Amino acid sequence: DAKTTQPNSMESNEEEPVHLPCNHSTISGTDYIHWYRQLPSQGPEYVIHGLTSNVNNRMASLAIAEDRKSSTLILHRATLRDAAVYYCILRSITSGTYKYIFGTGTRLKVLA
Amino acid sequence: NAGVTQTPKFQVLKTGQSMTLQCAQDMNHNSMYWYRQDPGMGLRLIYYSASEGTTDKGEVPNGYNVSRLNKREFSLRLESAAPSQTSVYFCASTQERAMNTEAFFGQGTRLTVV
Repeated sequence: DAKTTQPNSMESNEEEPVHLPCNHSTISGTDYIHWYRQLPSQGPEYVIHGLTSNVNNRMASLAIAEDRKSSTLILHRATLRDAAVYYCILRSITSGTYKYIFGTGTRLKVLA
Repeated sequence: NAGVTQTPKFQVLKTGQSMTLQCAQDMNHNSMYWYRQDPGMGLRLIYYSASEGTTDKGEVPNGYNVSRLNKREFSLRLESAAPSQTSVYFCASTQERAMNTEAFFGQGTRLTVV
C-alpha cells in the first residue's frame, strides 16, 4: 500500500486560510487521494477526495500536484470547530480491496 | 439517519475474558471495516469485509476474529482479551464501485482490558 507523509501538527489563526500538505511519492496512477478529519472523541469524517484535478466542496478544497506526488487540503477560513486531526489517505480502485490505510495525520490547532 | 452504529460505547474487560463488538449500518453499503486507535495514534485496520460473505485481514488482525453476519452487520470478537487490546475501536462502511466513495465511521467503542 502506498504511504502518505504529513506534518505532525500545524497552527492557524481563526478565519485565516489553512493549507495542510501531504506527500505521497509512491502513489500509483489509479490511487484516489482522500482526506478525513477526526474531531475530539469522534470517529473520522469524510472531507474530500480527488484523483487528478483540483476539487472543491462545501468543506474544503483539494489541490493536487501535477505529478500527483503531493496534495494540499485547503480550509478557506478556519474556525474553532475545524480543530481536529486531518488524515491524508490513498485509496486504490484496482487492487480489489478497497481498504483505507491511515497514517498519523496532522493535528490542526486553531487559535482564537 | 443512523449511519453506522456501534455497541457498546464503553466496556471494561478482565484479561482473558471474551467479548463481541457489534457494528451495523443502514446505508446498504457493501464494504465494512474494523479499526483500532491507540492513544495519540492514527487508525490501524484490523479486518475488513469487501462484501457480504467475505472477510480479509488488515494490518493488525492477531487476537481478533470477525463475522459478516449479513449486509448490515459486521462484528469483531476478542476471544481472550489482553491489556494490549485496550484501545478505541471504530467500525466503518462504504459503498464500493460507486462514484461517491465516502466512508462513514461509527462513534467508537472504548475498550479497557485490565
